[in-house]
Amino acid sequence: EPEVTQTPSHQVTQMGQEVILRCVPISNHLYFYWYRQILGQKVEFLVSFYNNEISEKSEIFDDQFSVERPDGSNFTLKIRSTKLEDSAMYFCASSTSGIHEQYFGPGTRLTVT
Amino acid sequence: AQSVTQLGSHVSVSEGALVLLRCNYSSSVPPYLFWYVQYPNQGLQLLLKYTTGATLVKGINGFEAEFKKSETSFHLTKPSAHMSDAAEYFCAVSDPDSSYKLIFGSGTRLLVRP
Repeated sequence: EPEVTQTPSHQVTQMGQEVILRCVPISNHLYFYWYRQILGQKVEFLVSFYNNEISEKSEIFDDQFSVERPDGSNFTLKIRSTKLEDSAMYFCASSTSGIHEQYFGPGTRLTVT
Repeated sequence: AQSVTQLGSHVSVSEGALVLLRCNYSSSVPPYLFWYVQYPNQGLQLLLKYTTGATLVKGINGFEAEFKKSETSFHLTKPSAHMSDAAEYFCAVSDPDSSYKLIFGSGTRLLVRP
């Protein structure tokens, strides 16, 4: 069964460093999302991406964040200068269309020290 | 703005007992509603969804949920709990007018006692 994959599973970085989180969505999906879950809190929407552009972003998704679909398969989230409060589990999700369910990857645990 | 409220951060049941996890939503448009399950150290897995049509929806692992518009609820049930059901459960609402992003509730951790 097709699945969303994410790499790395765990990333430790120092404050102020740049990180890139990678996702490979399911191949025929057209809508892509990033969410994050700070430990013990709810899952929060970060950004949605469709037709090679951002369709919506949350207040969390400030200028330090960017997304890219550099080729036909990868979908990346970049944090330019990490802060301690960026420590969280980051989930990538994809769907065939808006009304269909989103399939989630296993997540990348980002720890900023 | 849409929102989701899950009553009870922790629910404990005995194995074989009824599972009832509560979810209420707020939405200005007909919502799409979802339940996801998260096992320890894993991602989110879809249990079931409601978009249109039949208000009682059946999902995987014997779970079902009923969309009640008048009560703005989408409670999750399972007739008989199994030890393997122990996990965190998230209710989510999707706004078709807003990129279909998912707005999640705060989650309910289900504990199953032997």
